[in-house]
Amino acid sequence: EDQVTQSPEALRLQEGESSSLNCSYTVSGLRGLFWYRQDPGKGPEFLFTLYSAGEEKEKERLKATLTKKESFLHITAPKPEDSATYLCAAAGGTSYGKLTFGQGTILTVHP
Amino acid sequence: EPEVTQTPSHQVTQMGQEVILRCVPISNHLYFYWYRQILGQKVEFLVSFYNNEISEKSEIFDDQFSVERPDGSNFTLKIRSTKLEDSAMYFCASVYQGASLHEQYFGPGTRLTVT
Repeated sequence: EDQVTQSPEALRLQEGESSSLNCSYTVSGLRGLFWYRQDPGKGPEFLFTLYSAGEEKEKERLKATLTKKESFLHITAPKPEDSATYLCAAAGGTSYGKLTFGQGTILTVHP
Repeated sequence: EPEVTQTPSHQVTQMGQEVILRCVPISNHLYFYWYRQILGQKVEFLVSFYNNEISEKSEIFDDQFSVERPDGSNFTLKIRSTKLEDSAMYFCASVYQGASLHEQYFGPGTRLTVT
């Protein structure tokens, strides 16, 4: 069974204080690793797709990386508007679109 | 920018009642999904739907659940006889034809409360 685990559960940063979120996955035949942002009361918002180990994607202050067992979401010089829950999801080799989600990391950035 | 929309935003129902949750996927998207998120828990896959057929479903998606695309724009999730444990946020998602099946765009969700 595919499993995705995220850490830490919650992360509090000062504005400008860079950090990383971790996503560990156990997926048979990984077809993709996905990062989403979720604001309170909203649906997940697509951020990145990573397909193979060594791949990196960037968007503004966010950079996602992938190894054979983990993915990291690096946040550089975060701002208060980056505060949200960040979700990691994986798609296995036999899926027709099924995403297996982690429990998320709640990021709070204080001004 | 086109968005997935869902109605209602909040549905309260009594145990044993039928509910229909509605979604309007992004135009020209051809793959559709339902997920749910029980408060404080992970987002869980329910079902995927393509070409008027279920492509894949989870163990959660039992005989009490059904999906339908009744016309060219709506995608619905029906729960025949709701249980207390069906209380959750239900998200619809869709994928553009030609894109990866996993780059899904989610709606804002319907909060279902079963009393």
